[in-house]
Amino acid sequence: AQSVTQLGSHVSVSEGALVLLRCNYSSSVPPYLFWYVQYPNQGLQLLLKYTSAATLVKGINGFEAEFKKSETSFHLTKPSAHMSDAAEYFCAVSSNFGNEKLTFGTGTRLTIIP
Amino acid sequence: NAGVMQNPRHLVRRRGQEARLRCSPMKGHSHVYWYRQLPEEGLKFMVYLQKENIIDESGMPKERFSAEFPKEGPSILRIQQVVRGDSAAYFCASSRDREENEQFFGPGTRLTVL
Repeated sequence: AQSVTQLGSHVSVSEGALVLLRCNYSSSVPPYLFWYVQYPNQGLQLLLKYTSAATLVKGINGFEAEFKKSETSFHLTKPSAHMSDAAEYFCAVSSNFGNEKLTFGTGTRLTIIP
Repeated sequence: NAGVMQNPRHLVRRRGQEARLRCSPMKGHSHVYWYRQLPEEGLKFMVYLQKENIIDESGMPKERFSAEFPKEGPSILRIQQVVRGDSAAYFCASSRDREENEQFFGPGTRLTVL
């Protein structure tokens, strides 16, 4: 069984400040990990993914995440927030067996303060 | 290269009616996943299909819900005798037949049951 916990359902940061969104996972098998972003009334867009290669993963729009097996974490960061980053962010996990269902966290709504 | 297509984008049904949601995967993708997003919640897996086969339906409610992915045409998620609790956003995702399990999401169908 797999699960994802996202700490903080709402996060607010000032424009230009560091963005840190937390994700912890539980998995009985080696995981694949993903971060998706959802803008209002839209589908999900993949930001980045970890698939057992490099533990520091760089994604689109300046985001990156680091896989830490010892902490079972996959936190998402961005050095400098932009107004356009305001959205809902979802962390997800699947097994590494290929073409498996995604198990999502409950999401973190990111607000950027001008 | 068109993305995942879903229609309709919005669907309104009265209690007891049937809802049919359609999903056309990206070109070259043979795997389809359906997820449901209830208000203020993350996405929950419903069903995973390949052409003409249901691979994993562990997230499907036991009654009233069915899914298919025929040899020709889109994948269909069918909800019979809808109830107010079925009101949600239903997302379809597709992936290629490869190991990395990158799922591409459609824009979703927002079902409202009156």
